[in-house]
Amino acid sequence: NAGVTQTPKFRVLKTGQSMTLLCAQDMNHEYMYWYRQDPGMGLRLIHYSVGEGTTAKGEVPDGYNVSRLKKQNFLLGLESAAPSQTSVYFCASSDPGTAISNQPQHFGDGTRLSIL
Amino acid sequence: AQSVSQHNHHVILSEAASLELGCNYSYGGTVNLFWYVQYPGQHLQLLLKYFSGDPLVKGIKGFEAEFIKSKFSFNLRKPSVQWSDTAEYFCAVETGGSYIPTFGRGTSLIVHP
Repeated sequence: NAGVTQTPKFRVLKTGQSMTLLCAQDMNHEYMYWYRQDPGMGLRLIHYSVGEGTTAKGEVPDGYNVSRLKKQNFLLGLESAAPSQTSVYFCASSDPGTAISNQPQHFGDGTRLSIL
Repeated sequence: AQSVSQHNHHVILSEAASLELGCNYSYGGTVNLFWYVQYPGQHLQLLLKYFSGDPLVKGIKGFEAEFIKSKFSFNLRKPSVQWSDTAEYFCAVETGGSYIPTFGRGTSLIVHP
């Protein structure tokens, strides 16, 4: 059981280049999230999805797009990379759980992205 | 919008010392509370969670946290830390039914052997 898998693990881009980060989960979770983690800033939510075919903006969505065409995959796109997007990106998934309790998030290992 | 504050940004302890990391949040309604740990070079893992019931929650590796509703707090504690507890610790708060947690900025803990 792989859990949450992120590809690639590392990438270096030049300013203006585009790329897509892939997140795949095998737990049949409904909810998926993309975060960026920067020193001293904790985790900030970029976009999230509450089910296949749905996406929503988080705290810092500018410069990113997402798609959830299949329940198990959540793609994060950078159309024109900027140095400010240098960060570590984490994908997470969770299940709504029951009416009594929410389930915690399961995180991928992260993608370290550098924009030159 | 709710906020989550972790007042201790960096904590340095010696092995066997006691630990308490603060977490306060701003939302006044029903909340779900989490503490996550991130070991160096790894992803976040759940330490413990609180949804309802006993406000003293026990998690993995000897950690516990106490929910004090009147103080809007969910502090993490461990009576005796080990070198292997060196990590970054994140508090997260979900407002009831949102499924979208807000994370604190994290506390970096270094434990000297």
